Amino acid sequence: DAMVIQNPRYQVTQFGKPVTLSCSQTLNHNVMYWYQQKSSQAPKLLFHYYDKDFNNEADTPDNFQSRRPNTSFCFLDIRSPGLGDAAMYLCATSGTGRSPLHFGNGTRLTVT
Amino acid sequence: TQLLEQSPQFLSIQEGENLTVYCNSSSVFSSLQWYRQEPGEGPVLLVTVVTGGEVKKLKRLTFQFGDARKDSSLHITAAQPGDTGLYLCAGAGDNAGNMLTFGGGTRLMVKP
Repeated sequence: DAMVIQNPRYQVTQFGKPVTLSCSQTLNHNVMYWYQQKSSQAPKLLFHYYDKDFNNEADTPDNFQSRRPNTSFCFLDIRSPGLGDAAMYLCATSGTGRSPLHFGNGTRLTVT
Repeated sequence: TQLLEQSPQFLSIQEGENLTVYCNSSSVFSSLQWYRQEPGEGPVLLVTVVTGGEVKKLKRLTFQFGDARKDSSLHITAAQPGDTGLYLCAGAGDNAGNMLTFGGGTRLMVKP
């Protein structure tokens, strides 16, 4: 089945220690997104790629970076995680910017 | 910026009861999507409504898009414990470049 896969499901990192979360898709979708979701809240868009074009949300901290080396893979890099960055990180894909999203199961990040 | 207000934020009901979740905006959306998210998983698309006044049914779930395409509702008949989860509405703007705008979510708990 075509899907969006996130690894790892759970990630523990230390305060200030860089961490990378990964996402892959077999849907061949043009758009890939990274969302941050804190407990019981709606997902908050951090940035997205439309093909190779990177689009950063205005309020996404500089601490968060992303890479999309090819259509299938996208990475979220958190350069210096703080305690406030502990959250569920969701990767999603869509055919276009307004198409329904296909989400992965997320990576739950804990910062100690 | 297009905003979507979702209500209620939290809802705890007994099995067998009916409920309605609302998603309201002052902006017009070209389409509106509803997602359900279960704990530890990513959101899953339930339905997309496109036409003003459209009603879609998915078993015990009824989705309606307002005539002016500014609001939507989700009605669940005879709720079951398996309906428990976070319900999210997301609107797509009229501008082709717009990303989806998420509502704040409704956390539903259905007690047996």
